Amino acid sequence: DAGVTQSPTHLIKTRGQQVTLRCSPKSGHDTVSWYQQALGQGPQFIFQYYEEEERQRGNFPDRFSGHQFPNYSSELNVNALLLGDSALYLCASSPGQGAGYTFGSGTRLTVV
Amino acid sequence: QKEVEQDPGPLSVPEGAIVSLNCTYSNSAFQYFMWYRQYSRKGPELLMYTYSSGNKEDGRFTAQVDKSSKYISLFIRDSQPSDSATYLCAMRGGSEKLVFGKGTKLTVNP
Repeated sequence: DAGVTQSPTHLIKTRGQQVTLRCSPKSGHDTVSWYQQALGQGPQFIFQYYEEEERQRGNFPDRFSGHQFPNYSSELNVNALLLGDSALYLCASSPGQGAGYTFGSGTRLTVV
Repeated sequence: QKEVEQDPGPLSVPEGAIVSLNCTYSNSAFQYFMWYRQYSRKGPELLMYTYSSGNKEDGRFTAQVDKSSKYISLFIRDSQPSDSATYLCAMRGGSEKLVFGKGTKLTVNP
């Protein structure tokens, strides 16, 4: 049973560019959340998607946007990249509300 | 004051030692408490999930929650070198947003 799958694993982008990260949730999971983890820090909640809608959002600017598809997979888009956006981006899925989250291995984004 | 405080360590112990990790929090609305283990360059892996106050045991791991003191702990018995990782506490209230501590880096020496 595949867990949460994220792609790509690593990415290098130039300041000002745009990036799209992808996530396939664990089988049977319909809720997807995205987190940003800076080096030496705990993950920070970006937003959560359920039934193709953004259900909750953390304290991140509008440059961060997302989408969930009918098959529950999700994308995270970041526009106008800043050096400070360099981090590990984690996708987590769960089988509905109130359950534990399964995390993927993340996409390491470096902005130069 | 941060919502969740966790000593980042690092913590170094000999193999077989009992390890105690802890977090404090300020938001009394938190009801669900989790401990995740994160190996280098990997995503967090859920170890323990508890609701409200009390203890929960799973093999060598014991999680404790004291809501009156806003304090949670994770104990690891008979620690092994394979336990070397960063341990993250996480918690949430009625919303689905997880709030994490900074993580404690643990090294178990053979």
